[in-house]
Amino acid sequence: EAAVTQSPRNKVAVTGGKVTLSCNQTNNHNNMYWYRQDTGHGLRLIHYSYGAGSTEKGDIPDGYKASRPSQENFSLILELATPSQTSVYFCASGERVGQNTLYFGAGTRLSVL
Amino acid sequence: GEKVEQHESTLSVREGDSAVINCTYTDTASSYFPWYKQEAGKSLHFVIDIRSNVDRKQSQRLIVLLDKKAKRFSLHITATQPEDSAIYFCAASISNTNKVVFGTGTRLQVLP
Repeated sequence: EAAVTQSPRNKVAVTGGKVTLSCNQTNNHNNMYWYRQDTGHGLRLIHYSYGAGSTEKGDIPDGYKASRPSQENFSLILELATPSQTSVYFCASGERVGQNTLYFGAGTRLSVL
Repeated sequence: GEKVEQHESTLSVREGDSAVINCTYTDTASSYFPWYKQEAGKSLHFVIDIRSNVDRKQSQRLIVLLDKKAKRFSLHITATQPEDSAIYFCAASISNTNKVVFGTGTRLQVLP
């Protein structure tokens, strides 16, 4: 079965601090995604990647960076965390362009105080 | 860019009745429309999809309809059961891209 693992599962950060959310997939999928989930907004796409070395901006990239150093790993980086970035973050992987069934990780609950 | 609107934020039905969740999309180039389910406190998992070359697809109690002219698609859950209670997300993906855009979710409650 497809496996996407996120770490940490919970994180409390201070305003202005740096936060790194990590995602690892063992599906050998080319595509990986970072979404955030907020009440009233559903899932919003932050960054995504076509493969190792590539990152693309999603719909709400401001304040976030992404890194895809390998096929398996995709990180989301908050260089200067703000309280507005308090949310639940989901990583997902998918294998096919245009017909892309996504496999989600368990989520990371981030609180920025 | 593509936007997906999910019309019902909450929906309550009686057990055994049908539930219908409606979504619309903006980009005519969208060609793939998956649905995901999120149970309380859990992550999302795929439940059913439809591609733009068909207008109806059924998997057990789930039916997806696609109206390309109206840029609308819907999820029908027949003979609802308590375990159908969850948040359902529709999504759309444009052919030849990897971008998948989600709706805002519909919280379905199946009442006894």
